Amino acid sequence: EAGVTQFPSHSVIEKGQTVTLRCDPISGHDNLYWYRRVMGKEIKFLLHFVKESKQDESGMPNNRFLAERTGGTYSTLKVQPAELEDSGVYFCASSYGTSGRQETQYFGPGTRLLVL
Amino acid sequence: AQSVAQPEDQVNVAEGNPLTVKCTYSVSGNPYLFWYVQYPNRGLQFLLKYITGDNLVKGSYGFEAEFNKSQTSFHLKKPSALVSDSALYFCAVRVSYNFNKFYFGSGTKLNVKP
Repeated sequence: EAGVTQFPSHSVIEKGQTVTLRCDPISGHDNLYWYRRVMGKEIKFLLHFVKESKQDESGMPNNRFLAERTGGTYSTLKVQPAELEDSGVYFCASSYGTSGRQETQYFGPGTRLLVL
Repeated sequence: AQSVAQPEDQVNVAEGNPLTVKCTYSVSGNPYLFWYVQYPNRGLQFLLKYITGDNLVKGSYGFEAEFNKSQTSFHLKKPSALVSDSALYFCAVRVSYNFNKFYFGSGTKLNVKP
């Protein structure tokens, strides 16, 4: 069974440009999450989708970040326009459910974003 | 506010010796606790979790962790370290009422030397 995949693995852009990150969850997982780790600090929650709906987007830093999950399969996270402080590693995770054995989140390898 | 602390940025241990990676948490509500490991250029891999039941939880690769409610800790342990255990370890907590939002610590780099 394929794990969570993310694309691209690395992205280097200039301040003011737009970047779109993609996440493909494990097949059959309705729950999809985005997290971010900035410069050696803790991994912080950004948002949670259940199928195509945003369940919790309390961690989104500002309106320059837009996450979508049309059709309830893969998700994209767009940063427009990118700022220097957006640099970090963006992780995607998925889970089958949110309780009991189904709540374990499985993570992708991350996208390393560097904004110059 | 919910938070997780991993007080050590780095832990060094000799191969064959026992290892401990510390984690403490602060949450309102019942905690569900997790450990993940990240190898270089890889994603986070699930190691083990505590939801309820026995305080000592056994996970992948010979790791175990002990939930201590009075000390609000969930330290990761292994009786005999391997060089291949060298990686970045993250502790995470979820509170029971908050769907599936995880709070992570800042990570501890484990170095196991031959």
